Amino acid sequence: SAVISQKPSRDICQRGTSLTIQCQVDSQVTMMFWYRQQPGQSLTLIATANQGSEATYESGFVIDKFPISRPNLTFSTLTVSNMSPEDSSIYLCSVTWGYAGYTFGSGTRLTVV
Amino acid sequence: TQLLEQSPQFLSIQEGENLTVYCNSSSVFSSLQWYRQEPGEGPVLLVTVVTGGEVKKLKRLTFQFGDARKDSSLHITAAQPGDTGLYLCAPGANYGQNFVFGPGTRLSVLP
Repeated sequence: SAVISQKPSRDICQRGTSLTIQCQVDSQVTMMFWYRQQPGQSLTLIATANQGSEATYESGFVIDKFPISRPNLTFSTLTVSNMSPEDSSIYLCSVTWGYAGYTFGSGTRLTVV
Repeated sequence: TQLLEQSPQFLSIQEGENLTVYCNSSSVFSSLQWYRQEPGEGPVLLVTVVTGGEVKKLKRLTFQFGDARKDSSLHITAAQPGDTGLYLCAPGANYGQNFVFGPGTRLSVLP
């Protein structure tokens, strides 16, 4: 399985600003995933990011709000744009190894004030 | 309609008690995975069950995959405070393009 470094681990941001979250994987992977976890809730998939193509967004998430970059097979960023308090959540990146399951970053706890 | 349902949603028990949590679906899965998420961390894979009727043991945790491969259970014997966390089930990562998780069971084990 892979090791994922995700940063920042937490941030407090002003409404209307943007935050970019970075995930670095210690090995090359085809697919990376971004999830949102609202307080006390399970994980909701935001988008799937493949290297060399545009990310595929789930219903309720749009590229203008959550632009994703995937410049190579070991790195991805998720930007939360024009933030509002409703964006306060934990954001997680992950990769998958089939039967080996998902490996997650430790998450970014975002608070928007 | 959610692909996966988990029950109970919340569970608070005393140290030493036994418990069982469930993951159910109307869909058939080639495999199903269980994860535990502790506060401030990402979910960590506990087990993958693949064969209908399969039982896997991980120390005090026993996982079972239903015969029809639509449901699974996790039984914890003599729960400890270190078992506290959010337990999530998910289809095996090769299940179509559905990279989704169940709603989770939040377990609290009190000393």
